[in-house]
Amino acid sequence: GQNIDQPTEMTATEGAIVQINCTYQTSGFNGLFWYQQHAGEAPTFLSYNVLDGLEEKGRFSSFLSRSKGYSYLLLKELQMKDSASYLCAVINYGQNFVFGPGTRLSVLP
Amino acid sequence: NAGVMQNPRHLVRRRGQEARLRCSPMKGHSHVYWYRQLPEEGLKFMVYLQKENIIDESGMPKERFSAEFPKEGPSILRIQQVVRGDSAAYFCASSPPRGDSYNEQFFGPGTRLTVL
Repeated sequence: GQNIDQPTEMTATEGAIVQINCTYQTSGFNGLFWYQQHAGEAPTFLSYNVLDGLEEKGRFSSFLSRSKGYSYLLLKELQMKDSASYLCAVINYGQNFVFGPGTRLSVLP
Repeated sequence: NAGVMQNPRHLVRRRGQEARLRCSPMKGHSHVYWYRQLPEEGLKFMVYLQKENIIDESGMPKERFSAEFPKEGPSILRIQQVVRGDSAAYFCASSPPRGDSYNEQFFGPGTRLTVL
């Protein structure tokens, strides 16, 4: 079966750090993506992990542990514009994307 | 290089009518994916197509829904005899031919279908 879990909602304060977790059980693993989606808009690419470890890109970092079926997205120095849904997606052996339900992040002043 | 284009952006249909959603992939991309997103929910995979071929339609409802990606022209997602439950945002994504490295999917702006 295919299952990807993320928290439904998170709230954080401007300037803070927030970690969004994602756990997955899929038919094979060929990589994990994080996408950002603002309300009413298309998802946009944030990061890609295929090997264990941390990938850093500016204020955003993504971590992967394949043995644990676990990833997290770390957002630093939060800004109001970071309020959005964050989607975790796994590429399975069929080379298809399996998306999680998304985590809706609200950044408060 | 234009991104993924979808039209219409908004579509209103009455129950029983047909809905046709169009997607033009990015230049050089030969893979198209269709997803459905209900309000407050994640993206649900529907179908994966290459030119003139349906590769994986495991996420497509068995009835009323069909998709094509002809040799010329955009990919079409067709919903016949729409019902209220079909109201959703339908996103199209495209990716280049698969090679050794990962293939990021680039998303279009979506078509928001409302069934009255």
